Amino acid sequence: EVQLVESGGGLVQPGGSLRLSCAASGFTFSSYSMNWVRQAPGKGLEWVSYISSSSSTIYSADSVKGRFTISRDNAKNSLYLQMNSLRDEDTAVYYCAKVASSGWHFDYWGQGTLVTVSS
Amino acid sequence: DIQMTQSPSSLSASVGDRVTITCRASQGIRNSLAWYQQKPGKAPKLLLYAASRLESGVPSRFSGSGSGTDYTLTISSLQPEDFATYYCQQYYSTPPWTFGQGTKVEIK
Repeated sequence: EVQLVESGGGLVQPGGSLRLSCAASGFTFSSYSMNWVRQAPGKGLEWVSYISSSSSTIYSADSVKGRFTISRDNAKNSLYLQMNSLRDEDTAVYYCAKVASSGWHFDYWGQGTLVTVSS
Repeated sequence: DIQMTQSPSSLSASVGDRVTITCRASQGIRNSLAWYQQKPGKAPKLLLYAASRLESGVPSRFSGSGSGTDYTLTISSLQPEDFATYYCQQYYSTPPWTFGQGTKVEIK
């Protein structure tokens, strides 16, 4: 059974940093691209960042470019999101999502971790 | 960036009703479209991909159609467990991949 479990969320002040983790199991993690997607309270879904299976290709949304860094450790079956220079508008539930084998859509999602940016 | 316009933003329907949600892309996306269902406090769940392909385990009352810029999600006979928010997502070409703003399906 595919499982994605996020951790690392919490309350942080504006300008602060936080590192999110996503532990993967139930599939060959090193063979699949992964993403981070976020959802502000009461709002819709926003794609944040993508990383290929070998980490050779990375994309990020303009809203987080230069502040957030996606990475992965295939030996640890883990995905990360380093978030720096956090802003109020980064407050959201952050989901990790696995890219399907049949296309670029997301076939499995974690339960999410809440990041609150507030003074 | 490709913009996704989803409509309606909300709808009220009864159990057994046929429900249709539409999604329009700002440019052609060649069927690179997925539909997700999200219940309160839960992660999104994949329903359909490639515009019309049903994800394994998803009931056949869910179907998708469309081409070019216009796509539709249809629920043929609404069930109590289908009350949720639905999102379309385009994954055409390289990111950014974008979502529609969501359609909340409520009980009438």
